[in-house]
Amino acid sequence: DQQVKQNSPSLSVQEGRISILNCDYTNSMFDYFLWYKKYPAEGPTFLISISSIKDKNEDGRFTVFLNKSAKHLSLHIVPSQPGDSAVYFCAASEWTGNQFYFGTGTSLTVIP
Amino acid sequence: EAQVTQNPRYLITVTGKKLTVTCSQNMNHEYMSWYRQDPGLGLRQIYYSMNVEVTDKGDVPEGYKVSRKEKRNFPLILESPSPNQTSLYFCASRPGTYQPQHFGDGTRLSIL
Repeated sequence: DQQVKQNSPSLSVQEGRISILNCDYTNSMFDYFLWYKKYPAEGPTFLISISSIKDKNEDGRFTVFLNKSAKHLSLHIVPSQPGDSAVYFCAASEWTGNQFYFGTGTSLTVIP
Repeated sequence: EAQVTQNPRYLITVTGKKLTVTCSQNMNHEYMSWYRQDPGLGLRQIYYSMNVEVTDKGDVPEGYKVSRKEKRNFPLILESPSPNQTSLYFCASRPGTYQPQHFGDGTRLSIL
């Protein structure tokens, strides 16, 4: 049973606009959440994370929002750039931090 | 350069022929993991290790073995590979709890 879900397999956005990628989870014990970006023929690379004690974390153009009551997190990319075109995975773990659960990924295409 | 190195990157083999995928990290990380990525299923954790000689099962451990005799190495062993183990495999390492993982570039296994 998928504990972390990304319901949008793909997303297309114009360059310069905002990209919003969504992720839902079912396990209320999750308290550490991450977003990874993956290019073809490469491994995922870490983008940004958030712990459950916060509801927002920013790093440059990337912001992650966490809504614990809705068990939902989102990644905002502003402004979107063509180089952002990749597959984005969200991931989550419990406080023990040994097991990570990944979503199925969202393929983002930023159109120049 | 800090990295996680997997070998081989590609392998085509036959059912029942034992194989080992090596993983090495040069960041002195405590934690290491193996994942497989399948279409529509995202990344699923196979095994993880918290330190030398300490390993535990992830979500999909059946048909796999691991060992952690040295901190830097975490090989994945398929004693008797079967076609349902055809997949893209990733090794990852991280320094500790609430830290993001660093991934290798992947190993694509095809088992005929």
